Formats: sequence, C-alpha cells, structure tokens
Amino acid sequence: GAVVSQHPSWVICKSGTSVKIECRSLDFQATTMFWYRQFPKQSLMLMATSNEGSKATYEQGVEKDKFLINHASLTLSTLTVTSAHPEDSSFYICSASGDRSSYEQYFGPGTRLTVT
Amino acid sequence: EDKVVQSPLSLVVHEGDTVTLNCSYEVTNFRSLLWYKQEKKAPTFLFMLTSSGIEKKSGRLSSILDKKELSSILNITATQTGDSAIYLCATKAGNMLTFGGGTRLMVKP
Repeated sequence: GAVVSQHPSWVICKSGTSVKIECRSLDFQATTMFWYRQFPKQSLMLMATSNEGSKATYEQGVEKDKFLINHASLTLSTLTVTSAHPEDSSFYICSASGDRSSYEQYFGPGTRLTVT
Repeated sequence: EDKVVQSPLSLVVHEGDTVTLNCSYEVTNFRSLLWYKQEKKAPTFLFMLTSSGIEKKSGRLSSILDKKELSSILNITATQTGDSAIYLCATKAGNMLTFGGGTRLMVKP
C-alpha cells in the first residue's frame, strides 16, 4: 500500500523560531500533497495544496508567508512554520495523492507542534 | 462554499450495541465521499463511496451513499471498545477533500 511518512512526529520550539516539517511518500510518486491542521477535538482543516514543481495554493485565511510550503520533488513536501507563536501549536498532517485524478489521499502520521 | 456536516457530534454506547453515524454534504463538483477513523494520530481510510445505493462492507462496518439526499451513513454493528475513535467523513471534489466535524464515538465495556 501507499505509505506517507512525516518528520518529526513531535516538536517543541520557542516563540520566534522556525520549524520545518517534512512529508515523504515512500513508495509512490506524489504529484499532489495536502497540508492539514487539526486543533484538539476538531476536524482537519485544509491549509494548502501543493503540486510538484509549482507554488502551493493556500486556503482562505492561511498566511502564505507564515506557512511556507515547498514541493520540490515527487516524494517530498515541506511545511515551514516561520516565526512560530504559541497559537501555532497544533497537529499538522500531510497527505499525498499519486496523480491528479486519484481518488485516494494517503495520510502521514502527523506532527504535533508545541510552541512555548 | 462546500459544507460537510456530521451527526451526532458524540456518542457513548456499550459493547455490542449497533451505531449509525450520519454525514450530509453540500458540495459542488462532488466526486466521492470517504469515511475515515481517527484514533490518536492521522486518519485511517475506511470506505470510499461513489455510487448511490451500493453498500460497502468491511467486517462489522458498512456504509452507503444516498446522492439524492446528499448523505451517507456509517454503521458499526456489535461495537467493541476498539471502535472508540473519531469518525470523519469527507467529500472529494476535484482533488480536494472537505472534512466534516467528526463524530466522537466512545464504546464502554
């Protein structure tokens, strides 16, 4: 089956620092990757969609300068939370789909970010 | 704006009970509806429904889509404590998923 990994699984950082989260598709080529954010006891909120080699498309209300997304290869997308604040603390999940018509999105295990 | 609504928000049952979770949607360019189970980490895929009226079954779980009513149900029979989780439904339009708020199910021994 399709496997997606995320690294790190858990990170604590200080306010003002930047944190990079990696999302990798291990056994398939992910032309599209999605980044979601989940607050406690809430559902997944789509932050942005990225296609390999092009700029990410951000959902309304998501600051592109704060949440930098790079999808440089068919197996790797990164989300960088810049100048992190405590309100950025959340669970970040990526998912990947294999081609533009695929009905399946394969989720990574998620990254829990805590900003102190 | 696409909308996916799940009910109930939460549910507490005892082992052996049968539960029905509901998902309704208003989505443009609807392609399919997906059900996920989320425990401590990322959601795990349960079902994808594209055609109306065709039940999908996996063990004690089953699901069906009603495109006329713009809704889907997820049934779990003979519930077990391991079924305790958040159940998410999501609609796929184009290549994007829109998630509902989830139903938190707790199964007591």
